[in-house]
Amino acid sequence: QVQLVQSGAEVKKPGASVKVSCKASGYTLTGYAMHWVRQAPGQRLEWMGWINAGNGNTYYSEKFQGRVTITRDTSASTAYMELSSLRSEDTAVYYCARNLIAARPIGFGYWGQGTLVTVSS
Amino acid sequence: EIVLTQSPGTLSLSPGERATLSCRASQTISSSYLAWYQQKVGQAPRLLIYGASSRATGTPDRFSGSGSGTDFTLTISRLEPEDFAVYYCQQYGSSQWTFGQGTKVEIK
Repeated sequence: QVQLVQSGAEVKKPGASVKVSCKASGYTLTGYAMHWVRQAPGQRLEWMGWINAGNGNTYYSEKFQGRVTITRDTSASTAYMELSSLRSEDTAVYYCARNLIAARPIGFGYWGQGTLVTVSS
Repeated sequence: EIVLTQSPGTLSLSPGERATLSCRASQTISSSYLAWYQQKVGQAPRLLIYGASSRATGTPDRFSGSGSGTDFTLTISRLEPEDFAVYYCQQYGSSQWTFGQGTKVEIK
């Protein structure tokens, strides 16, 4: 069965960077897009960007362009999201999520468990 | 960027009642790329509906989606205790995804 397992909670200082991992199992990483979505406390879901895990192409939300980098390591079946220049407003749960169906942007059918990133001085 | 506006913000209903949730887009979107999610406290979202009206595997048939153009609806025909949660709509266009702000369905 498809599983996405994320790395553990992080505490970072303002101005630092954080890198969250998402290990995929139960399917071939390169066959599907992987997205990153975040949710600040009590707030809506916010899409950050996605990677075509097959060819490595990335697409980012305009809001995060320049601060977010999504990569993947196909040999480790793992996707990564790095967010730089952290500020307190970046405190949130970060999720990875996989397309329901390969090559069709119809929704995120599988989600990681979420990683809490806390930004505090 | 396409903005999705959900209404109402909170819906207070009793088990057994019908829930009607609205999602309005700031411009016309393809029905193929409109999805609905359910999120319970402390959990990741769960895909309920994709393509505006297709139920994802495991979604009970009391959930139904409809709509086109800029106006979309999620209906829960008879609320079960496990349905009290927050619901988000989501759309895709031009390699970008956006979510609505959510509708909380709470027990009255």
